[in-house]
Order: sequence, then structure tokens, then C-alpha cells
Amino acid sequence: NAGVTQTPKFQVLKTGQSMTLQCAQDMNHEYMSWYRQDPGMGLRLIHYSVGAGITDQGEVPNGYNVSRSTTEDFPLRLLSAAPSQTSVYFCASSYLRTSENEQFFGPGTRLTVL
Amino acid sequence: GENVEQHPSTLSVQEGDSAVIKCTYSDSASNYFPWYKQELGKRPQLIIDIRSNVGEKKDQRIAVTLNKTAKHFSLHITETQPEDSAVYFCAASKGFKTIFGAGTRLFVKA
Repeated sequence: NAGVTQTPKFQVLKTGQSMTLQCAQDMNHEYMSWYRQDPGMGLRLIHYSVGAGITDQGEVPNGYNVSRSTTEDFPLRLLSAAPSQTSVYFCASSYLRTSENEQFFGPGTRLTVL
Repeated sequence: GENVEQHPSTLSVQEGDSAVIKCTYSDSASNYFPWYKQELGKRPQLIIDIRSNVGEKKDQRIAVTLNKTAKHFSLHITETQPEDSAVYFCAASKGFKTIFGAGTRLFVKA
């Protein structure tokens, strides 16, 4: 069991560029989520999904898109990167179809937007 | 909107002493309250959690208490060890969303 995996580990973008952060889990979890972590602000929910084909917005969704075509994968797309999106991004999953249960986090992606 | 406040932001204790971190939440419908530990450069990992129908839970040196009336919950670590040094996050969950506190950086001095 690899658990929750994320790629890439590090990424540098220029303002206006787009990219996709990859997230996958092999635990057959229904619930998956994306968070960003900024100094002094904890983890903030960007988007979440409760199953294939079902996604919804979290606290800070602007500038990000998600899709969930399979149970395993939950990619996060930055449409037009801005310096304010410089952050560490964590993907997480939970075996229940809600967030009211332990979330298993991936190793994170450190993104810098110049 | 909903928020979770966490105090203190930094806590320094001597090895063997106890550490207490406190959180308050705004949404009275929150049902699940996890605590995550994050070591430097690592992912957050669950250390203990409590549900809204329980007032206290203990796991070895770690305990969590919940006061639903006051919308307040706390993490207690006894007999602290240097390996307890990390950032600790509290959180409150309702339905599909989890709100995290800003974190407490705990230093345990040997």
C-alpha cells in the first residue's frame, strides 16, 4: 500500500502559467480533498470530492479546478498561476464519505510562483 | 464563516513537563475534532480525535477533552519527550468540510 501519493514534490512556475498537481490513493477511499498550507494559517480546504464524478468547493477555491474521474485520482489544476498561490499543497483521503473521520495526507507539493 | 482559533502559537516546555494546547470553534454543528501532528517537512498525521458525543479520550500520554457548551477542546500531552517537538493542529469537522486551527509549535527542551 503506497497510501496517498503526490507529484511533483517541488515546482516553480511563472505568473500566468498553468499546471496540474497529481494526487492518487490506493486505499479505495471515497473522500478526497486538497488543502493549501501557508505559514501561520494552518491548512485551508480548496476542493473536495466524495466519489468519482462528485466535487465541490472548500474555503479557498478561486483559481483552482478539480475533477474526479476515478476513485483513485484527484488532480488539482491551477488555471493561471499567481504569486499568491505560492504554498505547500497537501492532498488527503478518508475512507468514509465525509470529512468526519481521519484524513490520510500525501507528502505535499511545494509550489513557488514567480 | 466558520473558524477555529488555536492557542498558544508557540509553546516551550522542559522534557517531562506537561503541554496543553487549546482550541475554540465557531460552528456548534461540528461533530468531529481531530488533532494532527506535523514534523518539520513532513505530512500531518492524526494523533488523537474525539467525537461530539464524548467528553474525554485518552491514548497513553495524550488526552483530548471537549466542552460542547463552550465550543472548546484541548490537547494534553504528559511526560513530554524531545520527539514530541512538532507543530500540532486542531480541527473541527462537519459533513464534508474540516476547518483547521493555525497550529501550535511545541518545543520540548531536553
